[in-house]
Amino acid sequence: SQQGEEDPQALSIQEGENATMNCSYKTSINNLQWYRQNSGRGLVHLILIRSNEREKHSGRLRVTLDTSKKSSSLLITASRAADTASYFCAPVLSNDYKLSFGAGTTVTVRA
Amino acid sequence: EAQVTQNPRYLITVTGKKLTVTCSQNMNHEYMSWYRQDPGLGLRQIYYSMNVEVTDKGDVPEGYKVSRKEKRNFPLILESPSPNQTSLYFCASSFGTGDSPLHFGNGTRLTVT
Repeated sequence: SQQGEEDPQALSIQEGENATMNCSYKTSINNLQWYRQNSGRGLVHLILIRSNEREKHSGRLRVTLDTSKKSSSLLITASRAADTASYFCAPVLSNDYKLSFGAGTTVTVRA
Repeated sequence: EAQVTQNPRYLITVTGKKLTVTCSQNMNHEYMSWYRQDPGLGLRQIYYSMNVEVTDKGDVPEGYKVSRKEKRNFPLILESPSPNQTSLYFCASSFGTGDSPLHFGNGTRLTVT
């Protein structure tokens, strides 16, 4: 397995602004998944993007994937206080299902 | 309701006293996994299981045991807990195929004194 590395480590934005975070990984993947963790709770799956996809949307979330740069980004538009959480990416290898997680990006949305 | 249930939610124990954290899922998932989460280190995988009677070490298996006698249950056993196992533990499950999302329990906060 391999873990993704999220960047930045922390992000503070005003309610209504957009939040962008990035994920880099090292080897070829089958897909990449993004998860959210509210303080001290279990991770919740947000969105999955396959290696042959470049962009995917889900509500206010937009995920991009650039396999040539081995990177992905998660954009949260029109942020709300409820978006305050940590966000993790998990690259899934083609021949290995194990999901590993990095330290995440902690997003704080200020009212 | 589809869920992964961990118990207990909080546990305080002393060094050397054996303990078990239970994990159960009701989604007929083949794959189950345990993680520990420590500040600045992200989630690290302890053990995982691809199916009944099949378990494998993750990245940090030392000091832990698991078993998978039934599909729905995947207990985590600490035979002789030590203070460096103080952590937040999560159980997760999925169908185990490449595009299956993981479903997480709500965590067990363990303190070993």
